[in-house]
Amino acid sequence: GENVEQHPSTLSVQEGDSAVIKCTYSDSASNYFPWYKQELGKRPQLIIDIRSNVGEKKDQRIAVTLNKTAKHFSLHITETQPEDSAVYFCAASPPNNDMRFGAGTRLTVKP
Amino acid sequence: GAGVSQSPSNKVTEKGKDVELRCDPISGHTALYWYRQSLGQGLEFLIYFQGNSAPDKSGLPSDRFSAERTGGSVSTLTIQRTQQEDSAVYLCASSLQVAGSYEQYFGPGTRLTVT
Repeated sequence: GENVEQHPSTLSVQEGDSAVIKCTYSDSASNYFPWYKQELGKRPQLIIDIRSNVGEKKDQRIAVTLNKTAKHFSLHITETQPEDSAVYFCAASPPNNDMRFGAGTRLTVKP
Repeated sequence: GAGVSQSPSNKVTEKGKDVELRCDPISGHTALYWYRQSLGQGLEFLIYFQGNSAPDKSGLPSDRFSAERTGGSVSTLTIQRTQQEDSAVYLCASSLQVAGSYEQYFGPGTRLTVT
């Protein structure tokens, strides 16, 4: 089955700086790569996703890049704000949608 | 519309007892997932149901764990002879899984405490 690794496990940045979280996956058939944000005490929620026929996708301050050859994808958050502080999970899903999540990155944005 | 619901929201049980956790997915969602999340940890995959296909049970940590999904809708996760290490939040998610719609919608979770 799919195996997803995520780095770093914790990330602390100053407000206004950029944050980058990286993930690798093992199953070359995976074709869907979502990112979820989980605020303290809340359920995970989708913030952005990318499919394998696209190399990059942006939504305001967040962007995701995908390198299928290297089997890695990244989340980029620009102009970070304190409300971006949360745990972020990447995931990879093969065509049968048997999705697996990375271990998560705890992002702290210091004001 | 209504989102994914789970019950109970909290469950305290004594070591050795059996527990049942319930998940009501969003109506029409064909896929249903169970995850376990220990305090401050990631989303540990447990089991995946997709339509009428055989479920992927590869994430169940031991034979004390089982799950079923009746009528392609409600799912129950059963933990037999609970142990203290089973204490965690159990999250359920459902997904529509038609072209362009693969987002998983999570329920609020059941916080299980085994004393």
